[in-house]
Amino acid sequence: QKEVEQNSGPLSVPEGAIASLNCTYSDRGSQSFFWYRQYSGKSPELIMFIYSNGDKEDGRFTAQLNKASQYVSLLIRDSQPSDSATYLCAVKNIYNQGGKLIFGQGTELSVKP
Amino acid sequence: DAMVIQNPRYQVTQFGKPVTLSCSQTLNHNVMYWYQQKSSQAPKLLFHYYDKDFNNEADTPDNFQSRRPNTSFCFLDIRSPGLGDAAMYLCATSRVWGSANEKLFFGSGTQLSVL
Repeated sequence: QKEVEQNSGPLSVPEGAIASLNCTYSDRGSQSFFWYRQYSGKSPELIMFIYSNGDKEDGRFTAQLNKASQYVSLLIRDSQPSDSATYLCAVKNIYNQGGKLIFGQGTELSVKP
Repeated sequence: DAMVIQNPRYQVTQFGKPVTLSCSQTLNHNVMYWYQQKSSQAPKLLFHYYDKDFNNEADTPDNFQSRRPNTSFCFLDIRSPGLGDAAMYLCATSRVWGSANEKLFFGSGTQLSVL
């Protein structure tokens, strides 16, 4: 089992729709969870992080965390073609991994005009 | 602007010919990381420095070495590149190691091709 699992996609949504990206993780002791966006051939850029159960909203983005189910998701409202990218989920457990971020392979999102 | 800078953006080397990738930062962060990302795969941590302390991941091949001569600069040396080492190499920094909400700041990456 991979430590962080994401559906590789591609996930295709029409412009203006809600895109839902999902991530599961195997280390139950993980404390913090990060979403990065990566355009093709570019480096990852941080969108959001979350460490409490529930929802966290920032503009069009909402991160949702359910530690009991070991599940974290990212919702993108009013999706735009410029949101087309690969979205990487990353997880951290400072007690057994220190500061190491463990990444999933990413979900490719395509927003169609 | 404070940032993480990687040079070169693209690097082509020959099979077995040593190559060095460089990273510099103006953030004055204590921790510097090197990640390897192959096509359509997750970034994989190779090693990190906390100040001058070098920390190698257990599964990082011996072919990969790193140097951090000062706070601002960090180098990745690949002693004998193989075709399987073709990848994007990402340098990242953070203020500290081992903090739950500490974020990584990535450079633009170096895409390495091995011929």
